[in-house]
Amino acid sequence: AQSVAQPEDQVNVAEGNPLTVKCTYSVSGNPYLFWYVQYPNRGLQFLLKYITGDNLVKGSYGFEAEFNKSQTSFHLKKPSALVSDSALYFCAVRADQTGANNLFFGTGTRLTVIP
Amino acid sequence: EPEVTQTPSHQVTQMGQEVILRCVPISNHLYFYWYRQILGQKVEFLVSFYNNEISEKSEIFDDQFSVERPDGSNFTLKIRSTKLEDSAMYFCASMVGTLKGTEAFFGQGTRLTVV
Repeated sequence: AQSVAQPEDQVNVAEGNPLTVKCTYSVSGNPYLFWYVQYPNRGLQFLLKYITGDNLVKGSYGFEAEFNKSQTSFHLKKPSALVSDSALYFCAVRADQTGANNLFFGTGTRLTVIP
Repeated sequence: EPEVTQTPSHQVTQMGQEVILRCVPISNHLYFYWYRQILGQKVEFLVSFYNNEISEKSEIFDDQFSVERPDGSNFTLKIRSTKLEDSAMYFCASMVGTLKGTEAFFGQGTRLTVV
């Protein structure tokens, strides 16, 4: 069975500091990993994904994520946080199984960037 | 930029009533989904739809739920007899193809409140 864990409900970081939002996953076979962001009263917006290849993937708005197979992690990072990055972040995984196309989401991490 | 659109943005209904949530996926997309997010909880998969039929569904998607693509552009979720616990944000999503590494695009959601 697939699952995603986001161990932190809330992350606070000062503007200009680096940020990390943690995600670990459990899936049978190869994982396809995604990060989505949700701003207030908005839908889920795709940020980045890992399919294969380079473990460091870059996405929208300066975000990047590092895939670590041995630790089954896919942490979201940004070198310098902006106040506008404050939002709810969801990690998601899709299993590499025939017919299994749905995404399994974590519980979300609320990021607050303090001016 | 093409986007998934959902209507209405907020629906209030009495317990036992039928509701239909509407979605217009991105036009060249082939896979369609409904997810829901109960307040403060994680995003949960309900159903996926491909080639005019349900391809997967979760335990949540019981006989009270149905999906339809009536006219080649709209994708609807019907709840026949709503319960209080159906109150949630419902997200529609679409995906261009069936490759596992393809990201899904989400609508802004319909907030369903059952009273």
